[in-house]
Amino acid sequence: EVQLVQSGGGLVQPGRSLRLSCAASGFTFDAYAMHWVRQAPGKGLEWVSGISWNSGRIAYADSVKGRFTISRDNAKNSLYLQMNSLRPEDTAFYYCGKDFQNLVTAIFDNWGQGTLVTVSS
Amino acid sequence: EVVLTQSPATLSLSPGERATLSCRASQNVGPYLVWYQQKPGQAPRLLIYDTSNRATGIPARFSGSGSGTDFTLTISSLEPEDFAVYYCQQRSNWPPITFGQGTRLEIK
Repeated sequence: EVQLVQSGGGLVQPGRSLRLSCAASGFTFDAYAMHWVRQAPGKGLEWVSGISWNSGRIAYADSVKGRFTISRDNAKNSLYLQMNSLRPEDTAFYYCGKDFQNLVTAIFDNWGQGTLVTVSS
Repeated sequence: EVVLTQSPATLSLSPGERATLSCRASQNVGPYLVWYQQKPGQAPRLLIYDTSNRATGIPARFSGSGSGTDFTLTISSLEPEDFAVYYCQQRSNWPPITFGQGTRLEIK
């Protein structure tokens, strides 16, 4: 069974940093691309970033480019999102998502449980 | 950026009825349109990928159709567990991957 267990959310002041983690199990982690998607409370879904299986292809939404960094450690079966210079508009539930195939398909067939990031003074 | 517009925003139906949800793209996305279901307090769940392919474990009452800019998710006979929010997503032209704003399917 595929499991994506997230950690690292919480309350942070504007301008500060936070790192999210997503621990994967139940599949061959290093064979799949991974993504981060967020959802402001009561709002819709917004793709944040994606990374290919070998970190060779990385992409970001314009809203986070230059502030957020996606990375992965295939030896630890883990995905990360380093979030710097956080803004109140970054407040959201953040989900990690597994790509559907070993190519970067941008189809999310499994999701983490979500973690809430609140940016407020 | 491809903008996806879903309609209606809210759909009120009864169990057993047929639901038709629409997603319109601002430019041609070919067949690369995906549908998700999200229930309160839960992560989204993949339903349909590339217009009409049901994901593993998705019941046959869910079907997708369309191409280019106009797509439809149909639920042939609503079950109580189908009342949720549905999102479409395009994967044709990215980054960025974009989602529609969602359609809330509520019990009438």
